[in-house]
Amino acid sequence: DGGITQSPKYLFRKEGQNVTLSCEQNLNHDAMYWYRQDPGQGLRLIYYSQIVNDFQKGDIAEGYSVSREKKESFPLTVTSAQKNPTAFYLCASTPGRGNYGYTFGSGTRLTVV
Amino acid sequence: QKEVEQNSGPLSVPEGAIASLNCTYSDRGSQSFFWYRQYSGKSPELIMFIYSNGDKEDGRFTAQLNKASQYVSLLIRDSQPSDSATYLCANRGAGGTSYGKLTFGQGTILTVHP
Repeated sequence: DGGITQSPKYLFRKEGQNVTLSCEQNLNHDAMYWYRQDPGQGLRLIYYSQIVNDFQKGDIAEGYSVSREKKESFPLTVTSAQKNPTAFYLCASTPGRGNYGYTFGSGTRLTVV
Repeated sequence: QKEVEQNSGPLSVPEGAIASLNCTYSDRGSQSFFWYRQYSGKSPELIMFIYSNGDKEDGRFTAQLNKASQYVSLLIRDSQPSDSATYLCANRGAGGTSYGKLTFGQGTILTVHP
């Protein structure tokens, strides 16, 4: 079955540590997105990518980095510069241009310890 | 002004009643609108989308869009306890640079009590 796989489901980060969240899709979608969700809040866009080897900053990109070396993969690195990284991270994809909704992964819950 | 704003919750309705969720948006060029349901600790799932003015019905769900008033709503008829969740409104803006990017509201928590 096609879908988006995020891993790990839970992740713990120590102060000053970089961590990478994985997002893989087998839907042949062109566009991929990373959102952050804090308790009681909606989704805020971190980064998005329309095609391989290209990506754009979203509304809250500071302290995060991404890469898009393959169409299927869009990993997110939470760097030590992100001072408040504890949140629920969601990866999503769409076929591309047009009136499509998102397909979401199951999310990664990141906690700073 | 937030780009997408939802009626503040939480909203509590009795089982069998109609739940009404509302959303306003600021981008007049928005082309499409989506309603997602999110259970606690889970990722959002798409339940309705609407592009044209008027009503769109799917089972117990009806989405209503009024572009002149920049308003979109979701009605849930015969509400069930299993409908208890956070409902997220989202829109896709106009223009080529948006490339499918959705902007989400802050969500409305719905509780359906027996």
